[in-house]
Amino acid sequence: DSGVTQTPKHLITATGQRVTLRCSPRSGDLSVYWYQQSLDQGLQFLIQYYNGEERAKGNILERFSAQQFPDLHSELNLSSLELGDSALYFCASSVRQGSETQYFGPGTRLLVL
Amino acid sequence: LAKTTQPISMDSYEGQEVNITCSHNNIATNDYITWYQQFPSQGPRFIIQGYKTKVTNEVASLFIPADRKSSTLSLPRVSLSDTAVYYCLVGDFTYNTDKLIFGTGTRLQVFP
Repeated sequence: DSGVTQTPKHLITATGQRVTLRCSPRSGDLSVYWYQQSLDQGLQFLIQYYNGEERAKGNILERFSAQQFPDLHSELNLSSLELGDSALYFCASSVRQGSETQYFGPGTRLLVL
Repeated sequence: LAKTTQPISMDSYEGQEVNITCSHNNIATNDYITWYQQFPSQGPRFIIQGYKTKVTNEVASLFIPADRKSSTLSLPRVSLSDTAVYYCLVGDFTYNTDKLIFGTGTRLQVFP
């Protein structure tokens, strides 16, 4: 158990819909990272927040957005969903924002039908 | 950005030592090298991190030559439970977190 929690574990929805994925980082961690992993694909970095502020962006689509709240939990919002958005979405956290260990959550499996 | 190159897959047998090499020719002075392990449908798990020479922990060793253009993850006496995908990650995440790239990793299959 990494100490990072993600909800829900599974999500099934239809194309065009909007969903919100939630992540609670490890206690004391200020950075939250979001990753997407499609079937048989590597992990794609989406976005990072540090202490409530957006720190870095990766290959995140404009239909996707995220935020980190004062209590440091984070939400990833996916809208106008397409079939290709079906994937595992992982959240990770770390104490700071530097070259250090990231602790990954168990992931949310999203299926868009 | 230090791009990494790893073998796509490797096979081994229980009890053998496995060495997975990662090439990162463009590694920058401030970059660290980190290895993660991922089992199917689970989040990656940190294995080891290093900057130069050799780092060892209870799980693995990481060998980094003087030029730092490559690194080798060494798993001693693998077991079936070591079957997983192993990712090499290089970066100075303080300034380049937008370049976090795990790549496709190395799929290690351990046979009995």
